[in-house]
Amino acid sequence: DGGITQSPKYLFRKEGQNVTLSCEQNLNHDAMYWYRQDPGQGLRLIYYSQIVNDFQKGDIAEGYSVSREKKESFPLTVTSAQKNPTAFYLCASSLVQQPQHFGDGTRLSIL
Amino acid sequence: AQRVTQPEKLLSVFKGAPVELKCNYSYSGSPELFWYVQYSRQRLQLLLRHISRESIKGFTADLNKGETSFHLKKPFAQEEDSAMYYCALKTSYDKVIFGPGTSLSVIP
Repeated sequence: DGGITQSPKYLFRKEGQNVTLSCEQNLNHDAMYWYRQDPGQGLRLIYYSQIVNDFQKGDIAEGYSVSREKKESFPLTVTSAQKNPTAFYLCASSLVQQPQHFGDGTRLSIL
Repeated sequence: AQRVTQPEKLLSVFKGAPVELKCNYSYSGSPELFWYVQYSRQRLQLLLRHISRESIKGFTADLNKGETSFHLKKPFAQEEDSAMYYCALKTSYDKVIFGPGTSLSVIP
């Protein structure tokens, strides 16, 4: 099912390099979210945005940055300050007070 | 602080046996609780939410504010129920946090 598209599916990063993960949705949802999924730890919230040009830190925002210039887009940048970036990253979106819809995820690995 | 706990990382039951996946939360406001499921090689998807009080695929969950729990139950487990289950809490500011998840394995 479409609606939320994350790209790329796999991403490799060299030490000291910033990388940006893409998340686009065509569901006209106001809220968008980024989670990190590690084995045994479930989904941990990195950043979320309730409206264009506004976003809030989640529980593990250090080493990450986001922007929300357009309603349909919420890119996540993993900076060199993130010491353990290898993980599976999930993007989600929702209407206010409605359940989230998730993308297929991006797996980031360090070379 | 807002928090969701799922005490069981792994849960194995026999086909036809009852299933209960536990979820507890801490939140000072009025919570909205969800159960999400992730089948093998599929996207994370909504299973049910406490507001709708529905039964989806035979699963039910009741919000107990006194015990701050939202346990997921099914009277007779099926093999196709094997999956990863996440309990989630949505705050009044649209922040959504997840528990660590429970991997359910239904033994034929």
